Amino acid sequence: EAGVTQFPSHSVIEKGQTVTLRCDPISGHDNLYWYRRVMGKEIKFLLHFVKESKQDESGMPNNRFLAERTGGTYSTLKVQPAELEDSGVYFCASSQVEVAQYFGPGTRLTVT
Amino acid sequence: QKEVEQDPGPLSVPEGAIVSLNCTYSNSAFQYFMWYRQYSRKGPELLMYTYSSGNKEDGRFTAQVDKSSKYISLFIRDSQPSDSATYLCAMSRMNTGFQKLVFGTGTRLLVSP
Repeated sequence: EAGVTQFPSHSVIEKGQTVTLRCDPISGHDNLYWYRRVMGKEIKFLLHFVKESKQDESGMPNNRFLAERTGGTYSTLKVQPAELEDSGVYFCASSQVEVAQYFGPGTRLTVT
Repeated sequence: QKEVEQDPGPLSVPEGAIVSLNCTYSNSAFQYFMWYRQYSRKGPELLMYTYSSGNKEDGRFTAQVDKSSKYISLFIRDSQPSDSATYLCAMSRMNTGFQKLVFGTGTRLLVSP
């Protein structure tokens, strides 16, 4: 069974540009989560989808971040315009039953 | 104050040692407690989770939760060099609408041959 996949693995963009991260959850997992780890800090929750609906977006830092989940399958996280403080590793996780969340390898975002 | 506190380490032990990793937390509403292992440049890998207080064992790994003290532990028996990684504790209320995980910063473990 394929795990959670994320694309790209690494992205380097300039301040003010737009970046879109993609996550493909484990097949059949209705729950999809985005998390972020900035340098030296703990991994922090961004938002949670149940199928295509946003269940909890309390961790989204501001309106420069937009997450979507098309048809309840893959999800994208767009940052527009990117700022220096957005640099970090963005993780996606999915789960079938809520407790066991399985993480992808992450996308390392560097904003210069 | 952080909701979850975890010593960042590094914790260095010789092969075969028993390792004890710990986290403390402040939110008494947490009910589910997880341990993840993360190798360098990889995503967190779920090792095990427990509900409420008590112990859970899986092979060389044992997780303990003491809700009265707001303290959780992960023990690794007969540690191996392949156990060298960062260990993250995470916890959640897991009620509907509150399924997000709250993580500690992670403890880096180094097991020397």
